Amino acid sequence: QITLKESGPTLVKPTQTLTLTCTFSGFSLSSNGLGVAWIRQPPGQALEWLAVSYWDDDNRYSPSLKSRLTITKDTSKDQVVLTMTNMDPVDTATYYCALALAASSPYFDFWGQGMLVTVSS
Amino acid sequence: QSVLTQPPSVSGAPGQSVTISCTGSSSNIGAAYHVHWYQHIPGTAPKLLIYANTHRPSGVPDRFSGSKSGTSASLAITGLQAEDEADYYCQSFDSSLSTMLFGGGTKLTVL
Repeated sequence: QITLKESGPTLVKPTQTLTLTCTFSGFSLSSNGLGVAWIRQPPGQALEWLAVSYWDDDNRYSPSLKSRLTITKDTSKDQVVLTMTNMDPVDTATYYCALALAASSPYFDFWGQGMLVTVSS
Repeated sequence: QSVLTQPPSVSGAPGQSVTISCTGSSSNIGAAYHVHWYQHIPGTAPKLLIYANTHRPSGVPDRFSGSKSGTSASLAITGLQAEDEADYYCQSFDSSLSTMLFGGGTKLTVL
């Protein structure tokens, strides 16, 4: 059974750095073709892909947020960590991690429940 | 304004059929990048419904089907059930933007 779960702070102040951890089970991030991605959804808005870390150490980022994002994986702990710098109230959103299948058009097979992160002073 | 355009809402009565469109361009759907579809009931984890344009993951009812033509893709739902009421998102890749993209989402209301 594949599960993913997001953890981290639910409230951050503007200009702070957000660190989110995705802890997963049921698959290995050493397996060919797999990755873990981060996706967010601001209240009342659409989903937005942020970043993905693949089995082969290839990391990809949303071009619009690339300068603020870092994604890392710890295969031994079955965790993927996303950091986002210089948080702003517009970054208030539900943040999801998901199992990504590598392809020319990658897709997200299983998702975590998500966690709401609020940016406010 | 999303690069992948979906109607904001669709509706249908139980037992009826609905289709949700996803219109892109020559740098995403039209460039032969696969389209994927997700069902999202607010407060729960989004669920993969269709991958690679037409394929259903195990456990997804065959009431859900996907198609693609040119720069557009569609999700069809037949035999509507109350439990189908959710938000639906298409997703693909854009070579010009070099990013994965989601559509703006479509809210399905089962009347």
